[in-house]
Amino acid sequence: GENVEQHPSTLSVQEGDSAVIKCTYSDSASNYFPWYKQELGKRPQLIIDIRSNVGEKKDQRIAVTLNKTAKHFSLHITETQPEDSAVYFCAAREGGGADGLTFGKGTHLIIQP
Amino acid sequence: DAGITQSPRHKVTETGTPVTLRCHQTENHRYMYWYRQDPGHGLRLIHYSYGVKDTDKGEVSDGYSVSRSKTEDFLLTLESATSSQTSVYFCAISRDRSSSTEAFFGQGTRLTVV
Repeated sequence: GENVEQHPSTLSVQEGDSAVIKCTYSDSASNYFPWYKQELGKRPQLIIDIRSNVGEKKDQRIAVTLNKTAKHFSLHITETQPEDSAVYFCAAREGGGADGLTFGKGTHLIIQP
Repeated sequence: DAGITQSPRHKVTETGTPVTLRCHQTENHRYMYWYRQDPGHGLRLIHYSYGVKDTDKGEVSDGYSVSRSKTEDFLLTLESATSSQTSVYFCAISRDRSSSTEAFFGQGTRLTVV
């Protein structure tokens, strides 16, 4: 089955700086890669996703890049703000939607004032 | 937010007892999933459903069973609860294949087995 590795497990950045979280996946058949943000005690919420026919996607301060050849994808957050502090999870799924997501173990992002 | 409700939100139960968690959706989404979340493990898939009475196992299905008799309800049963099943359980739903495959999560159920 699919295996997703996520790094780093904890990331501390100064407010206003950029943050990058990286994930690798093992199954070349995976073609959907979402990123979720989870605040303490809350549900995971989708913040951005990318499909395998796209190399990069941007939404305001958040961007995701995908390298299919190397089987890795990254989340980039620019101009970080205190409300960006949370745990971020990457995930991967083989196309179609039936089989569920395979998640990375998460990155705790800490924004230092 | 998508209309997903999990019940109960918190439960404490004794080892060896059966426990059923409920996930109810009002979105008429075809796909429903149960995940567990544990520190250091992220979220792991327990079981999923791709339609009424159509279910399949996920990565960590041992000790769990599921049922889906209606589109809107997906039940997760711990047949005989053990301390290793202490966790936060999340239900999620996805739209049909013809559109987005985005998954929406419920609020979670915190289960403690003592």
